[in-house]
Amino acid sequence: DAGITQSPRHKVTETGTPVTLRCHQTENHRYMYWYRQDPGHGLRLIHYSYGVKDTDKGEVSDGYSVSRSKTEDFLLTLESATSSQTSVYFCAISGTGGDTQYFGPGTRLTVL
Amino acid sequence: AQTVTQSQPEMSVQEAETVTLSCTYDTSESDYYLFWYKQPPSRQMILVIRQEAYKQQNATENRFSVNFQKAAKSFSLKISDSQLGDAAMYFCAYRRLAGSSGDKLTFGTGTRLAVRP
Repeated sequence: DAGITQSPRHKVTETGTPVTLRCHQTENHRYMYWYRQDPGHGLRLIHYSYGVKDTDKGEVSDGYSVSRSKTEDFLLTLESATSSQTSVYFCAISGTGGDTQYFGPGTRLTVL
Repeated sequence: AQTVTQSQPEMSVQEAETVTLSCTYDTSESDYYLFWYKQPPSRQMILVIRQEAYKQQNATENRFSVNFQKAAKSFSLKISDSQLGDAAMYFCAYRRLAGSSGDKLTFGTGTRLAVRP
């Protein structure tokens, strides 16, 4: 199994509070991704990174920001959480442009 | 934009039997990758099988095989000798060749497979 961990695994927060989710990898892979999973939508890309300090937006990036200061860590921040951001968040990694993406265990976030 | 469609929200199969899950996609690209991922109740996303569009031969991984019809833009997954552990949500996914999109995966909405003992 690819060495990917996500923290926290579960979080309940209130509307308007900031939240940061962490993805940590031990594979030294260049590419890292954040997806969200919602019923009826499959998984949708939020943001991705193609190297340290190199990030770009995905299809559902509004309300989210990311940072990558080290190869192994990719942080997803909700500056002011809303109920519409209640979801399961997955981190994924891949080594090169042609590689398969491998997923972390997911974080279930509930915004009340 | 690429889209992936899984028209079967739920499927059911008897243990030891064979089941086929359907997936169609829409793209203007000629080279791309297709994937099937499995998501059991543990929520972990597990790669089942991968197909490169330039390969005519259908991919196979043990009891899992695909029927890739490029002209029809169809990518079905066949599970042979179904086992109780195959019960899960299955997602079909598309990815274009490496480029400005950052290799993002485009997912279908999933098919939930139940296996009857």
